[in-house]
Amino acid sequence: KAGVTQTPRYLIKTRGQQVTLSCSPISGHRSVSWYQQTPGQGLQFLFEYFSETQRNKGNFPGRFSGRQFSNSRSEMNVSTLELGDSALYLCASSLKGGSGELFFGEGSRLTVL
Amino acid sequence: AQSVTQPDIHITVSEGASLELRCNYSYGATPYLFWYVQSPGQGLQLLLKYFSGDTLVQGIKGFEAEFKRSQSSFNLRKPSVHWSDAAEYFCAVAQAGGTSYGKLTFGQGTILTVHP
Repeated sequence: KAGVTQTPRYLIKTRGQQVTLSCSPISGHRSVSWYQQTPGQGLQFLFEYFSETQRNKGNFPGRFSGRQFSNSRSEMNVSTLELGDSALYLCASSLKGGSGELFFGEGSRLTVL
Repeated sequence: AQSVTQPDIHITVSEGASLELRCNYSYGATPYLFWYVQSPGQGLQLLLKYFSGDTLVQGIKGFEAEFKRSQSSFNLRKPSVHWSDAAEYFCAVAQAGGTSYGKLTFGQGTILTVHP
């Protein structure tokens, strides 16, 4: 069974640009969550989607957005990039009714110059 | 607001020695508790979880953790560490019985170094 797939794995952007990251969950998983990981702030919850609906949102500015498609694949977008957005962005999927057992992808490493 | 504290940023042990990683949480009710491990360049992998019942839970790779309600702690233990256990370990909490299945609050992590 394939795991959670995130693309791209690495990318470099400049300030002011925007970026879109993609996540394909494990087959059959309908919930997708996104996390930002930085050395200073650690792992922080961005948002969660289930059946194309955002169920929960973390404390991030409106520049961070996401969506989920009918096949459960998800994308997150960051507009007007700032230097502080440099981070590892992790996607995780889980079953509905799941237990909080999240299956994580390897992440997308974003560097903002 | 719920929070998770891992007091030790970095721990070094010798291969074969025992290990205990500390985790304290702050939450109004009994939460769901987890330990995840992250190797360099990798995502997070679930080691074990506690929902209810027996307060000593067994996980993968020989790890176990004990939930102590009176101390708001969920410490991770392993009797004999292997060099391959070197990684970063995260304790996490989720709202028990909540509708958000994907929202976890993580501790800051503990980096484990294993000396041969």
